[in-house]
Amino acid sequence: ELHLVESGGGLVQPGTSLRLSCAASGFTFGDYAMHWVRQAPGKGLEWVSGITWNSGRTGYADSVKGRFTISRDNARNSLYLQMNSLRAEDTALYYCAKDSFISGSYYDHWGQGVLVTVSS
Amino acid sequence: QPVLTQSPSASASLGASVKLTCTLSSGHSSHAIAWHQQQPEKGPRFLMKVHTDGSHVKGDGIPDRFSGSSSGAERFLIISTLQSEDEADYYCQTWGTLIHETVFGGGTKLTVL
Repeated sequence: ELHLVESGGGLVQPGTSLRLSCAASGFTFGDYAMHWVRQAPGKGLEWVSGITWNSGRTGYADSVKGRFTISRDNARNSLYLQMNSLRAEDTALYYCAKDSFISGSYYDHWGQGVLVTVSS
Repeated sequence: QPVLTQSPSASASLGASVKLTCTLSSGHSSHAIAWHQQQPEKGPRFLMKVHTDGSHVKGDGIPDRFSGSSSGAERFLIISTLQSEDEADYYCQTWGTLIHETVFGGGTKLTVL
C-alpha cells in the first residue's frame, strides 16, 4: 500500500528556518515527480513547490521563491522542503503529493499533512 | 496558465445526486482536470482525472457512485446516492507540461442535508 508521511513541522518564530520531510513507501519513488502543497487555516489548496523524478527541474510558487528549496533523495525514498526566512503567512498544513508522471501532471496520492506555525 | 473556477458551496439531500462544476478559463478548454476530495480534518484524496471528452480514470477504491463528465470548458464531478461521508471540500486541479504549471480551483464545500 502506498504511503506518504510528512514530518518536521512545528511552531517557529518569524525569520527562522524549518525542514520538512516526506517518507514515501509502496511505490517506486524515483519514477515520479513530487510536490509540496499547503493549506492555510480555513483556505484552499496552494501549490508550493515541485521536483521532477530525477531532480532535473524544480519549480516554486512566487510566494516562496528564493526562500524555500525542494529536494529529494531517491535512494532514501524521501522528499524534502527547506524553508528559510519564514513568515506568518507561511503558516499552513503542508502536504506531500505524488505526481502521476515523471514531470508535471495530476496528483494521485497525498500525505496527511504536517502543520507549520510561524508566530512570535 | 489556466484559471479554474468553482462555486464556493453546494448542497444536496442524503440519497440524492449532485453535480459539481469546475470551469476552465478562456483558451484552456482542452485541458484535462483532476478532482480531489478533502473530508473534514483529513488530507486530500484523489478521486479521478476527467478528460476533454468526458472519459475519466478513477483513483484506487473510489466508489462507482463517483463519476465525471465534460462539456466545453466545464468539467463535472457527479456524486450519486449521496452519503453523509461525502460531505467534504472538492477541489479541481489542472496542470501543464512543466513542473510549476499546477493550478487548483478554489474548492466547493458540499453539504449533505
